[in-house]
Amino acid sequence: AQTVTQSQPEMSVQEAETVTLSCTYDTSENNYYLFWYKQPPSRQMILVIRQEAYKQQNATENRFSVNFQKAAKSFSLKISDSQLGDTAMYFCAFDSNYQLIWGAGTKLIIKP
Amino acid sequence: GAVVSQHPSWVICKSGTSVKIECRSLDFQATTMFWYRQFPKQSLMLMATSNEGSKATYEQGVEKDKFLINHASLTLSTLTVTSAHPEDSSFYICSARGVGYEQYFGPGTRLTVT
Repeated sequence: AQTVTQSQPEMSVQEAETVTLSCTYDTSENNYYLFWYKQPPSRQMILVIRQEAYKQQNATENRFSVNFQKAAKSFSLKISDSQLGDTAMYFCAFDSNYQLIWGAGTKLIIKP
Repeated sequence: GAVVSQHPSWVICKSGTSVKIECRSLDFQATTMFWYRQFPKQSLMLMATSNEGSKATYEQGVEKDKFLINHASLTLSTLTVTSAHPEDSSFYICSARGVGYEQYFGPGTRLTVT
């Protein structure tokens, strides 16, 4: 069965620091997509970043970047220059045949 | 672009009654819509997948007679919780997918059954 594991239930860092959230997954597929979603207190799911497995280059979106290690089945999210508005639940997700497999989430708290 | 709306955002109903939640894709045609349930401080749990004009495919353990899903058009899917009970209280989220692989999420509906 395909699974997604987020081993950090909660993390907190000071504003402006860099933080890395970890995610590992298990699959036998070769082509797939990986996502990081953010869920702030409003509970609206917001796509942070996506990665296509066939692309070797790590995806980057402004302050957000990923470290995609396909062989190790690892997909970590790095948030640089963290801001108070980054406080949220972060979910890692794997796309399997157009269905998302979700990790348990990491609660990220940015302290002023 | 790619906006998904849900209505209502919050609903309170009495035990034994039914409640309908609407999910609309506002600026694209959704070939597939998904319904999720989220308990407090937990991840999303997929309840069912629906394709326009077809019967929904329910995940194991989800009662299809209790959670009725209709996907009558390419922009609208509805979830009806029938004979609701307090244990059905939860946060329900829909998402929609167009021609690509990405899902776009609605803002969610908080259901409280008293």
